Amino acid sequence: AQSVAQPEDQVNVAEGNPLTVKCTYSVSGNPYLFWYVQYPNRGLQFLLKYITGDNLVKGSYGFEAEFNKSQTSFHLKKPSALVSDSALYFCAVRSWRLGNQGGKLIFGQGTELSVKP
Amino acid sequence: GAVVSQHPSRVICKSGTSVKIECRSLDFQATTMFWYRQFPKQSLMLMATSNEGSKATYEQGVEKDKFLINHASLTLSTLTVTSAHPEDSSFYICSAWDRGLRRTVQRTNTEAFFGQGTRLTVV
Repeated sequence: AQSVAQPEDQVNVAEGNPLTVKCTYSVSGNPYLFWYVQYPNRGLQFLLKYITGDNLVKGSYGFEAEFNKSQTSFHLKKPSALVSDSALYFCAVRSWRLGNQGGKLIFGQGTELSVKP
Repeated sequence: GAVVSQHPSRVICKSGTSVKIECRSLDFQATTMFWYRQFPKQSLMLMATSNEGSKATYEQGVEKDKFLINHASLTLSTLTVTSAHPEDSSFYICSAWDRGLRRTVQRTNTEAFFGQGTRLTVV
């Protein structure tokens, strides 16, 4: 079975400092991994994805993520955090079915990022 | 990027009534859409997969007679919460994949887009 784990419920960072939001996964076959961000009472916004290719993936708003196959991790990072980055972050893996038009996304528990001035 | 529009964003209804939530893909066709439910500060729980022109596929534990899904066209899926009760109060989110067929990218280079969500409160 495929699964995603975000070990931290909350991450606190001072503005200007680097941030990391952790994600580990368990899949059979090649993983398709995603990061989404959610602001209060809003849907999810896509940040970035790893399908294949370079292990370091760059996404929206200055975020990046590193795919590490040996550690089965896909941690989200940003060199310099902003107060406006404060939100709920979800890591997800795509579940494939035969003849599927898109596949289910299996989400981690979510990590609340708080960036203080 | 592709846009998924969800309506209404917020609804309050009386216990026992039914509420319909719409999910539209605005600039792409979606043969499959997904409906999620989210409790405060928790992850998204997949409820069902909506398939255009056929029956929805429900996840284990989700009552199909309670949560009616209709995917009548390639751009619209609806979720109807029937005979709503206070425990149905939640945040409901839909999503759809843009397969990027309009662009010259690999068929696997796709991503899911989410609606804005619907906050349902049953009183």
